[in-house]
Amino acid sequence: KAGVTQTPRYLIKTRGQQVTLSCSPISGHRSVSWYQQTPGQGLQFLFEYFSETQRNKGNFPGRFSGRQFSNSRSEMNVSTLELGDSALYLCASSTEPTYEQYFGPGTRLTVT
Amino acid sequence: GNSVTQMEGPVTLSEEAFLTINCTYTATGYPSLFWYVQYPGEGLQLLLKATKADDKGSNKGFEATYRKETTSFHLEKGSVQVSDSAVYFCALSESGSARQLTFGSGTQLTVLP
Repeated sequence: KAGVTQTPRYLIKTRGQQVTLSCSPISGHRSVSWYQQTPGQGLQFLFEYFSETQRNKGNFPGRFSGRQFSNSRSEMNVSTLELGDSALYLCASSTEPTYEQYFGPGTRLTVT
Repeated sequence: GNSVTQMEGPVTLSEEAFLTINCTYTATGYPSLFWYVQYPGEGLQLLLKATKADDKGSNKGFEATYRKETTSFHLEKGSVQVSDSAVYFCALSESGSARQLTFGSGTQLTVLP
């Protein structure tokens, strides 16, 4: 089975722009979670989607949003980028009953 | 809220040395506990897990025991290899679901030949 894929792997954006990151879960997995990883804050939960509905949300500003499509693929969007948004964004997919999370390789976002 | 406190790094060991990485947690209820490993340039891989008190998770020679009385989940390996060099993260999730993980700060392990 193919693993979790994330595109693009690397991205450079300018402050004030917006960005969309994509995640394709493992086939059959209906839950997709997003995490932000930075040297200063570590790994932090952004949100989780299941069957196109957001089920959980972390403590991030409204500039961070996401969605999930009927095929379980997910996107996250960050608007009005700030320098502090530079991070590795990780996506993880999981399925019932354990919801054990399988992570993708991440998208490295650099904001200049 | 939930939190995970992990041993400060980095840790440098010689090959075949014994490894311990300490992890303690704060959580309401009965969380599930995990160790993840991250190799350079890659995402996280689940190393082992334990879902209830006194459970021992094990994989690839690594072990960790869920100790409710000390709220700990320390990672151990009897004999490390150069290929074990990576960053190790302790994490927890609230009981009944692993969908939202709370992570420790990570411990960089370097094993020298």
